[in-house]
Amino acid sequence: QVQLVESGGGVVQPGRSLRLSCAASGFTFSSYGMHWVRQAPGKGLEWVAVIWYDGSNKYYADSVKGRFTISRDNSKNTLYLQMNSLRAEDTAVYYCAREALLGYCSGGSCYLDYWGQGTLVTVSS
Amino acid sequence: DIQMTQSPSSLSASVGDRVTITCRASQGISNSLAWYQQKPGKAPKLLLYAASRLESGVPSRFSGSGSGTDYTLTISSLQPEDFATYYCQQYYSTPPYTFGQGTKLEIK
Repeated sequence: QVQLVESGGGVVQPGRSLRLSCAASGFTFSSYGMHWVRQAPGKGLEWVAVIWYDGSNKYYADSVKGRFTISRDNSKNTLYLQMNSLRAEDTAVYYCAREALLGYCSGGSCYLDYWGQGTLVTVSS
Repeated sequence: DIQMTQSPSSLSASVGDRVTITCRASQGISNSLAWYQQKPGKAPKLLLYAASRLESGVPSRFSGSGSGTDYTLTISSLQPEDFATYYCQQYYSTPPYTFGQGTKLEIK
């Protein structure tokens, strides 16, 4: 069965860095686009970043562009999110999610069919 | 960027009720819309995609419809486990993969 397990969250001071990981299993990781989505406490879902199946393309939300970097290691079935220059407003639960591959997609984009359980990042002095 | 607006933001209903949640896109999204359910402390779960197609394993009391800019999620007969927050998301014009702000469905 598909499993996505995030790790790396914690408490970090403003301006510092943190790297999140998402270990994938139960599917051919190298075939799927992968996303990070976050949710601030008591708030809604905010899309953060996407990386194509082969790492050739990456896109970011304006709120994190230039500070966060999404990457993947297909040999390790692992997705990463490097977060630099962290701000208080980056405090959130960060979810990794798999983008559906086939079916009712729109051009090169599709819905998110599996999600991890999330990892909490708290930016505070 | 396409903006997604859900209504209502919260809703009180009783077990057995029929409820409808609306999602409006700022421009046409050609049925490229997904609905997710999220329970407190849990990850979102995919319910429907392509506006009306039910994800495997999701009860048939959930249905979706719409076209162009306006879409709805309907629960035909609310069950206790359906009380949660629901989000729509467009994947027609990306990035960004925009979510609606959510609709919290509470027990009356």
